[in-house]
Amino acid sequence: AQSVTQPDIHITVSEGASLELRCNYSYGATPYLFWYVQSPGQGLQLLLKYFSGDTLVQGIKGFEAEFKRSQSSFNLRKPSVHWSDAAEYFCAVGDLYTGTASKLTFGTGTRLQVTL
Amino acid sequence: DTGVSQNPRHKITKRGQNVTFRCDPISEHNRLYWYRQTLGQGPEFLTYFQNEAQLEKSRLLSDRFSAERPKGSFSTLEIQRTEQGDSAMYLCASSLADRRDEQFFGPGTRLTVL
Repeated sequence: AQSVTQPDIHITVSEGASLELRCNYSYGATPYLFWYVQSPGQGLQLLLKYFSGDTLVQGIKGFEAEFKRSQSSFNLRKPSVHWSDAAEYFCAVGDLYTGTASKLTFGTGTRLQVTL
Repeated sequence: DTGVSQNPRHKITKRGQNVTFRCDPISEHNRLYWYRQTLGQGPEFLTYFQNEAQLEKSRLLSDRFSAERPKGSFSTLEIQRTEQGDSAMYLCASSLADRRDEQFFGPGTRLTVL
């Protein structure tokens, strides 16, 4: 069964500092990987996704993520964090192409706090 | 706004009561998904529809839960005889069948069972 681990429950960074959120996955085939952001009162918003091709993917809001098959990781990065980036971030793996399943399996999330 | 909408946004009920939530997907999306998110956890898949057909249900969806999408547009999720453990955020998402990689989420319905 597929699973996602986000080892950091809570991270605090200063505005302008760089950010890396960790994500490790377990999946039997080539994974379909996602990062979502959830702000209070808002729905989950897709930041970026990876299925194949270039292992460094660019997303919205200046985020990027790198897929490393050898480490089963898909870490999210941003070179300079803004106060508005404070939110909950979820990594997810998709079971999109086997059988009829289209479900996403999410990690437990990392809450990002940004200090001014 | 043409995003996914969910109603109500908040629901407080007493244990044993029935509740029903509604999800209106993006109009051209033929796939609709339900997830449940409990405090401190990520969303967990419950079920999904393609048009009006319910194609998969999670083991999390006990007999007290039923979801419908009668005309292939909006969907309802009903919980019968609610229990305190049902307290959670219920999220709806939609996508095109040939773009399953892009699920658009609604703001959720927060259920509190007293």
